[in-house]
Formats: sequence, structure tokens, C-alpha cells
Amino acid sequence: QVQLQQWGAGLLKPSETLSLTCAVYGGSFSGYYWNWIRQPPGKGLEWIGEINHSGRTNYNPSLKSRVTISVDTSKNQFSLKMTSVTAADTAVYYCATDYHGYYHGMDVWGQGTTVTVSS
Amino acid sequence: QSALTQPASVSGSPGQSITISCTGTSSDFGGYNYVSWYQQHPGKAPKLMIYDVSARPSGVSNRFSGSKSGNTASLTISGLQAEDEADYYCSSYTSSSRYVFGTGTKVTVL
Repeated sequence: QVQLQQWGAGLLKPSETLSLTCAVYGGSFSGYYWNWIRQPPGKGLEWIGEINHSGRTNYNPSLKSRVTISVDTSKNQFSLKMTSVTAADTAVYYCATDYHGYYHGMDVWGQGTTVTVSS
Repeated sequence: QSALTQPASVSGSPGQSITISCTGTSSDFGGYNYVSWYQQHPGKAPKLMIYDVSARPSGVSNRFSGSKSGNTASLTISGLQAEDEADYYCSSYTSSSRYVFGTGTKVTVL
């Protein structure tokens, strides 16, 4: 069954660039949109953006100026970069997808990566 | 792209039914039925419980049901059990805004 495994730096200083990668195992990479979602401590979920295997992206307008999502189809991986981070970007970051055709209900999630921004 | 509005908390006794509301604007739902509900236990990734307003993914208990009327979607948990204690989030997908999540509801089993 398809699984998402994610990794990246967990501690950043203000103004640095956040970089996370999510790998897709046990399933097809093509034909799906791959998402990044984040959750600040004690708060709700926020959609960051998505990418498909062709590299077509959509971003949350509130983050669009700082976010880039890219794809590496040779490795079945997609990545998130967020520039100029501040303490407000401290959160658990998840990768996720609607893999089984659940009409944009995301049924496959990564394990989450905790990112802390602190000087 | 504002969050959909959910009650901060809902509680119920074992065996009871509870309902969580999720309210947005007409543009939040965009005339689509792409409303999903997620359950999240502490320290865990969200789990899809309902999609397409009222459909259940394979393996999800039929104690969970969803509905939508106008600009308000609802999740009902019947026969409340201790394991249902968790945070719940609604989500709407539209072609223009893509995904918007709700503010989240903490369900407490008394």
C-alpha cells in the first residue's frame, strides 16, 4: 500500500529557508496531486499547496510569495521550500494526498515533521 | 481564504450521539460536495473519516456520518465511544481556492 515518508531540517533560524521532502513508496506517482499541510502548535490545519507529477502547482494565496513546491519524478519525491521563515512558521508539516479517489479527501498522510523557528 | 467555522468543543457521554457543524460561505463550498472530515488524535497525523459530504472511506465505522445543508456541513458520531475522543476538522475543496480547513473541534467523551 502507498506510504509517504517525509524528512527535512527541524530547527531553523529566522530568515532561513525551510526545506522538506516527501517520498512516495508502494504506489504510483503519476496522476495525483501531492499536498503540503501544516499545523502550528495547538492550532488547526493549514493547506500550503500542491503539485502533480507534471509539476503543475497551486498555492495558498497567503503563503504563495514564500513557497515553492517541486517534484522529482525519477525518485517519486516532491519537496517544499519556504523562504524567510519566522516564528509564525513553527509547525508540524505534513505531506498528504487523495490517493484512492476520495473526491479530494486526503487519505494518505506522511508522519509529519516538526519544524521550529527560533533564534 | 479564511478557515471554515467549527465549534471549539463538543462533548457527550458514551453511547450518545454528537454533531459537529462546519460553516462557511457559498464561495467556500463553491457549489461542490467536496467536503471531508478528519479525525486527529494527539501527536498523530489526521485520518480521513468522511469525504464527498457523506461517504466513508473503507474501514471507517458507520457510526460516523456526514451531511450538508446550504453553507453548513455536519459530522455526526453515533454511539459515542472513548476512542472517538480527538480533534475533528472539516475541509472543503473548490477549484478556485483548493483546500480550506475548519477551525477544529475537540470532542470529549465524558
